[in-house]
Amino acid sequence: EIVMTQSPATVSVSLGEGVTLSCRASQSVRSDLAWYQQRPGQAPRLLIFDASTRATGIPARFSGSGSGTDFTLTISSLQSEDFAVYYCQHYLNLWTFGPGTRVEIK
Amino acid sequence: DVQLVQSGAEVKKPGESLKISCQGSENSFRGHWVGWVRQLPGKGLEWMGVVYPDDSDTIYSPSFQGQVTLSADKSTNTAYLQWSRLKASDSAMYYCARGRPFDYWGQGTLVTVSS
Repeated sequence: EIVMTQSPATVSVSLGEGVTLSCRASQSVRSDLAWYQQRPGQAPRLLIFDASTRATGIPARFSGSGSGTDFTLTISSLQSEDFAVYYCQHYLNLWTFGPGTRVEIK
Repeated sequence: DVQLVQSGAEVKKPGESLKISCQGSENSFRGHWVGWVRQLPGKGLEWMGVVYPDDSDTIYSPSFQGQVTLSADKSTNTAYLQWSRLKASDSAMYYCARGRPFDYWGQGTLVTVSS
């Protein structure tokens, strides 16, 4: 079973700053990697699929990269609505999530 | 537009059975997997398994195999998650979601199991 890890667990960022989140798979998942955002009290929302493709309606300040085992999600110029928890998920054979990274306001 | 509507919150006692539902808008499940995700209070997302409504094929997370049953009725675009004997540790928010990856999500069903 492929295990997903994310780092850091929590990151503090100021409004307008950029941040890069990391996700690692215990073995290659090719580019079968998605990123989700979950705001408090809301269902998760798909941001990125196939490692680097933005989902419909997702702003261009969100970008994903990587393949194989190492992936990143970059948010440029954070807006207030971007403070949330971000999860990566592989869907190579199962649909396993990482533990999440919380993006907090500094 | 695709919408997934989940059944309402449930309060049950340990040992009771439960079946919750996720209904998609017309034809929204055709050709797609439909999955279930557990979120314990204050914790992260856990993938439980998926069902393919077109033929009712299922894939379970090893962590949930044998603990829950997934099913679907393609005639009504509805997916189901059921327990035969609930435990207090099953208290959580449960989300359904469509696709691979999950492109549309339900609003969540809160399940509380308490004596």
